Amino acid sequence: DARVTQTPRHKVTEMGQEVTMRCQPILGHNTVFWYRQTMMQGLELLAYFRNRAPLDDSGMPKDRFSAEMPDATLATLKIQPSEPRDSAVYFCASGRTSGNTGELFFGEGSRLTVL
Amino acid sequence: RKEVEQDPGPFNVPEGATVAFNCTYSNSASQSFFWYRQDCRKEPKLLMSVYSSGNEDGRFTAQLNRASQYISLLIRDSKLSDSATYLCVVLTGGSYIPTFGRGTSLIVHP
Repeated sequence: DARVTQTPRHKVTEMGQEVTMRCQPILGHNTVFWYRQTMMQGLELLAYFRNRAPLDDSGMPKDRFSAEMPDATLATLKIQPSEPRDSAVYFCASGRTSGNTGELFFGEGSRLTVL
Repeated sequence: RKEVEQDPGPFNVPEGATVAFNCTYSNSASQSFFWYRQDCRKEPKLLMSVYSSGNEDGRFTAQLNRASQYISLLIRDSKLSDSATYLCVVLTGGSYIPTFGRGTSLIVHP
């Protein structure tokens, strides 16, 4: 049963530390999204890759966040330095543009707490 | 105005009730529409797509009103297990970037 895999599931860190979250999209999917979810803001799009190329990262704070897709099986989201306001659940999702089904498959999320 | 707006609720209904949610979108060029369901502390999952002619899946019916720019989700004979947050999703143009509403919380009680 194909699924999106995210690590770590939970992360507690101190302010100023670097945090790296990883995502393995579903094989054959050509789009990858990073979303952040908080109670106040809902799901916010941070970054979007299509065929591994970054197409939209306008929702991402550029000074501390970076997103990469070094190969088709791995997407990363890095926060350096982390701040308490970064505490949230970070979801990775993958999908396909062919057929334009629009369906996204989400990972279980990485719950980040920055103290 | 936000691109996709939903009433956050919560909608608190008894088992067996019929409940409906609406979602409005601002971009008239929006092409594809979906409802996702998110359980507490879980990831969102696709519930159903919304077709122009409306569509039904068991107890769930989705409708699209392009003239007024809203979609709706109707749940009949509510079950306790329907308790969740329902997210409206809109896909616009060729960007393939889904825009999520903030969700409507549904609580079905005995």
